[in-house]
Amino acid sequence: DQQVKQNSPSLSVQEGRISILNCDYTNSMFDYFLWYKKYPAEGPTFLISISSIKDKNEDGRFTVFLNKSAKHLSLHIVPSQPGDSAVYFCAASAGGVVTGGGNKLTFGTGTQLKVEL
Amino acid sequence: DGGITQSPKYLFRKEGQNVTLSCEQNLNHDAMYWYRQDPGQGLRLIYYSQIVNDFQKGDIAEGYSVSREKKESFPLTVTSAQKNPTAFYLCASTKRGNTGELFFGEGSRLTVL
Repeated sequence: DQQVKQNSPSLSVQEGRISILNCDYTNSMFDYFLWYKKYPAEGPTFLISISSIKDKNEDGRFTVFLNKSAKHLSLHIVPSQPGDSAVYFCAASAGGVVTGGGNKLTFGTGTQLKVEL
Repeated sequence: DGGITQSPKYLFRKEGQNVTLSCEQNLNHDAMYWYRQDPGQGLRLIYYSQIVNDFQKGDIAEGYSVSREKKESFPLTVTSAQKNPTAFYLCASTKRGNTGELFFGEGSRLTVL
């Protein structure tokens, strides 16, 4: 049972345009959401997060939007750059806001983003 | 520099052999995790440990074992009971009180011949 779903395995965008990566979840107990970026043969690196008490969080070129009623979140990258080409994983945890403590994450299957010149 | 070190980076194993993957962190993090990545399946949690001498099974613990004798170390043993061990294994850690932001090592690729 895939509780965090990234239905687009790949996305291709031109440099300078907006990249939108989507993620859906089914577990209503999830209250903290994160995006990770991963290059081949490396570990994922944390990109941006959002708690369920917010609907938007912005950090430079990266913005995450959360729609709790739809159980949907998205990552916007603008403007996209060639160095953004990587696999992006959406992840979620339950009880993170309440307990604040090292909770296990459930990951989606990832979306391969390719930013073309 | 603080970080998470996984070794070896590449490992080959014959069927029927146990193999142990090392994970060491000097971030003073309380919690440590092992994930497995397969093509098209994302990252799946094998085991995690919130504190020394304690650990819990994740979603796919069968065929794996762990120990947490020291805060800095969380080795993973892939046993011969694991039916499909060829994968990319990722170790991660996080502070107590952190809302889920994991720091990952660079991974270990295990290939069973």
